[in-house]
Amino acid sequence: DTAVSQTPKYLVTQMGNDKSIKCEQNLGHDTMYWYKQDSKKFLKIMFSYNNKELIINETVPNRFSPKSPDKAHLNLHINSLELGDSAVYFCASSHGLAGVVQYFGPGTRLLVL
Amino acid sequence: AQSVSQHNHHVILSEAASLELGCNYSYGGTVNLFWYVQYPGQHLQLLLKYFSGDPLVKGIKGFEAEFIKSKFSFNLRKPSVQWSDTAEYFCAAYGANNLFFGTGTRLTVIP
Repeated sequence: DTAVSQTPKYLVTQMGNDKSIKCEQNLGHDTMYWYKQDSKKFLKIMFSYNNKELIINETVPNRFSPKSPDKAHLNLHINSLELGDSAVYFCASSHGLAGVVQYFGPGTRLLVL
Repeated sequence: AQSVSQHNHHVILSEAASLELGCNYSYGGTVNLFWYVQYPGQHLQLLLKYFSGDPLVKGIKGFEAEFIKSKFSFNLRKPSVQWSDTAEYFCAAYGANNLFFGTGTRLTVIP
C-alpha cells in the first residue's frame, strides 16, 4: 500500500508551459506539504495545508499554487515554468502540525528545458 | 531564524567502519529533531526522532542519535556501516510551525 503517492514521477517540459503535479495520501492525515529539493539536495518547504487551509506559504513565486480538493490530496500547479524550477518536488503528509513525523512521497523530478 | 547545519557534505567509509554524522541546529525554543535517509532514487524515510525524554534515541537499521542540548547538536551514529547504508542523510528540526532541513550528508560505503 502506497502511503503518499505522487504523479508523475518524471516531468520534462518547455519553458513557459503550465504543469501540475498530483499528490495523494491514504494515511488519514490532515496536513500535507510540498517541498522543493534543488540540485544540491537542499530541501525547502513551499506550502503546507491543514484542513484545507494554507498554513505556511514560504516566499515562493506566485506562479506556484497549491490546490487541495480534499484532505487526502494536495496538488501543485506551476504556471509559466522557468529553468530554475527544475528540481525534485516532494509531497509529504502528517497528522497535525506540531512537530510530528512527516511521511514523504517518492518525489517528482521536474526538468524545464 | 531557525536553521540546521550539517557540516559533512560527503563521507566515504569502508564497510564495518563506525559512522558519526554531525548536525547542529539553531533555535532557542522547544525543538523536535529528526534524521531522514534518502536512498538513491527513493523518497525520504524517517530513521529516528527526538521529542523529549532520553537524549539517546535509537532508530531503524541500527542507527542512533544523541541530543545534546548544550551543544545544540543531534549527531547520528552507527557502530558498523554496511554497503546498503549508502544514501543521503538529512537532519531536520521542527520549530515555529516549520520543519527545517539541513543540506544533507552523502554517505558512500565501499564494500
